[in-house]
Amino acid sequence: SQTIHQWPATLVQPVGSPLSLECTVEGTSNPNLYWYRQAAGRGLQLLFYSVGIGQISSEVPQNLSASRPQDRQFILSSKKLLLSDSGFYLCAWSGGGGVAKSFGDGTRLSIL
Amino acid sequence: GIQVEQSPPDLILQEGANSTLRCNFSDSVNNLQWFHQNPWGQLINLFYIPSGTKQNGRLSATTVATERYSLLYISSSQTTDSGVYFCAVLNFGNEKLTFGTGTRLTIIP
Repeated sequence: SQTIHQWPATLVQPVGSPLSLECTVEGTSNPNLYWYRQAAGRGLQLLFYSVGIGQISSEVPQNLSASRPQDRQFILSSKKLLLSDSGFYLCAWSGGGGVAKSFGDGTRLSIL
Repeated sequence: GIQVEQSPPDLILQEGANSTLRCNFSDSVNNLQWFHQNPWGQLINLFYIPSGTKQNGRLSATTVATERYSLLYISSSQTTDSGVYFCAVLNFGNEKLTFGTGTRLTIIP
């Protein structure tokens, strides 16, 4: 069966520090991968999605970037974090057609 | 882009009560999903329902695509049903799910 792993679960970082969040999927090949951010008490905003290795689509201009170095690995990064980058980050995968199969457990990021 | 609105934004019910959550969307869709986010933040896929009616235990969902809305029914609520319920839709020719504003459900023992 397919599983999705996301880490770390929580992260506290100072303003201006770099960021790297990782997401991996097991049990499937060539998944579509997504990064979402959820601000406190609000809905999910799509940040990036990828339909294949090295293929990244960005949805909103921001301080973040994404990379897909391997088929089942999706990384969210920043060179210098801002206070506004705080939030709950969720990774998801789908088999195509936009049907989200499952989400990772999320990373709660706090910027100090 | 497509707009997705959910109502009510908040709902507080006694254990055992029934509830109906609504999702309205502004354009034609070829995918609609309902998710439950538990108090720990985990998002659980409840239904994939671009049209018609589905049931899974105490939960059921109906989507009327021609009228651009979907309903999620929860019967005999339990405290474990508490959390935020999201609907998410996908436009035709698109790979991006757009999430609604969510309904926060609180079930009181």
